[in-house]
Amino acid sequence: SQELEQSPQSLIVQEGKNLTINCTSSKTLYGLYWYKQKYGEGLIFLMMLQKGGEEKSHEKITAKLDEKKQQSSLHITASQPSHAGIYLCGAGPWGAQKLVFGQGTRLTINP
Amino acid sequence: NAGVTQTPKFRVLKTGQSMTLLCAQDMNHEYMYWYRQDPGMGLRLIHYSVGEGTTAKGEVPDGYNVSRLKKQNFLLGLESAAPSQTSVYFCASSYEAGLQPQHFGDGTRLSIL
Repeated sequence: SQELEQSPQSLIVQEGKNLTINCTSSKTLYGLYWYKQKYGEGLIFLMMLQKGGEEKSHEKITAKLDEKKQQSSLHITASQPSHAGIYLCGAGPWGAQKLVFGQGTRLTINP
Repeated sequence: NAGVTQTPKFRVLKTGQSMTLLCAQDMNHEYMYWYRQDPGMGLRLIHYSVGEGTTAKGEVPDGYNVSRLKKQNFLLGLESAAPSQTSVYFCASSYEAGLQPQHFGDGTRLSIL
């Protein structure tokens, strides 16, 4: 079965700094999803990556999928308090069925 | 836009009691899912459904039952609650085919005493 490992598990950065969260898969990724979860709330879909080398951006968040399709990174530029939360990567053998999730990365932004 | 709605939001049960969690979606999605989220373990799939009248087991199905009598609703039942089922439960839904993301509800925080 596919397993996803996220690093780091927690991250504390000063407001305005850049940061990167990694997601490594034990198998080739056919689709990689990034979600954000605010404390005590549900998951919000951020981006989906499908092709090797693909890169997508939304506001100050950029996600990349490596050429071998076994690792993805999420990069936040000039972090803001609104970026705080738990970031989770998810993947499945095909489409959105039966996703497996990483354990999450807890991001804290200090003013 | 309601999206995925879960009820209740919070519940405290005693060991051995039963209860049903309700998930409703208004996006006409074929697929629906129930997950549990525990500290340090991410989200784990309990059961899922690929359409009205169908259900299938996920990664951690023991102690839970589900039903999908209507396309828009997916029920998760605990017949005899155990302290190990203390968790935050999330429902999600998605379109049938292709690489479409799952849309999540806000969760139900369940404590079993």
